Amino acid sequence: QSVLTQPPSVSGALGQRVTISCTGSSSNIGAGYDVHWYQQLPGTAPKVLIYGNKNRPSGVPDRFSGSKSGSSVSLAITGLQAEDEADYHCQSYDNSLSDYIFGTGTKVTVL
Amino acid sequence: EVQLVQSGAEVKKPGESLKISCKGSGYSFTTYWIGWVRQMPGKGLEWMGIIYPDDSDTRYSPSFQGQVTISADKSISAAYLQWSSLKASDSAIYYCARLRARGSYVDYWGQGTLVIVSS
Repeated sequence: QSVLTQPPSVSGALGQRVTISCTGSSSNIGAGYDVHWYQQLPGTAPKVLIYGNKNRPSGVPDRFSGSKSGSSVSLAITGLQAEDEADYHCQSYDNSLSDYIFGTGTKVTVL
Repeated sequence: EVQLVQSGAEVKKPGESLKISCKGSGYSFTTYWIGWVRQMPGKGLEWMGIIYPDDSDTRYSPSFQGQVTISADKSISAAYLQWSSLKASDSAIYYCARLRARGSYVDYWGQGTLVIVSS
């Protein structure tokens, strides 16, 4: 069902910067639909991290940032912390499927 | 405080029926879309469908059309996900989720309901 592709895993040392890509197509991200990012800590429900491509809800540290270019978006985590170890999911809408879609998910490991 | 509280874990046998619930509080339940999301063991998130509790307008994701039924009872601020005949492949965690707006993002999630289907 996923039509948004993410790398299965990324890793980085404490304090480093990592980025997670979310690649779609002309029927979703390329069509201008917003992309949102969720963080899912082990054993918990997801929570919104970035909405509308680049906006942070209140309470989300500014270490997290989102950007968009064409049919791809990225989530960047700067100053990686141990508590950032989690799964990250992008989400958008696809007009050819007429459906909401999630990305394949990325596991972030802090070395 | 906005909360979505889901019913507890279930262990069922193949062929049995099941209805799980999601009760909203702290906001006007009828004016936000509620979605259901499946997460199979060790896998990513999958949209199942959405419902607008005010008029029960329901949209199913193609993969789940005919496999589940989504409903709502606005009088008690609850949404439901039900199966008429469970399969082992239905074993997963199911989350209800409040959409900020239709076509938008999820701003609140339920805690998840674990469903295990095993003979």
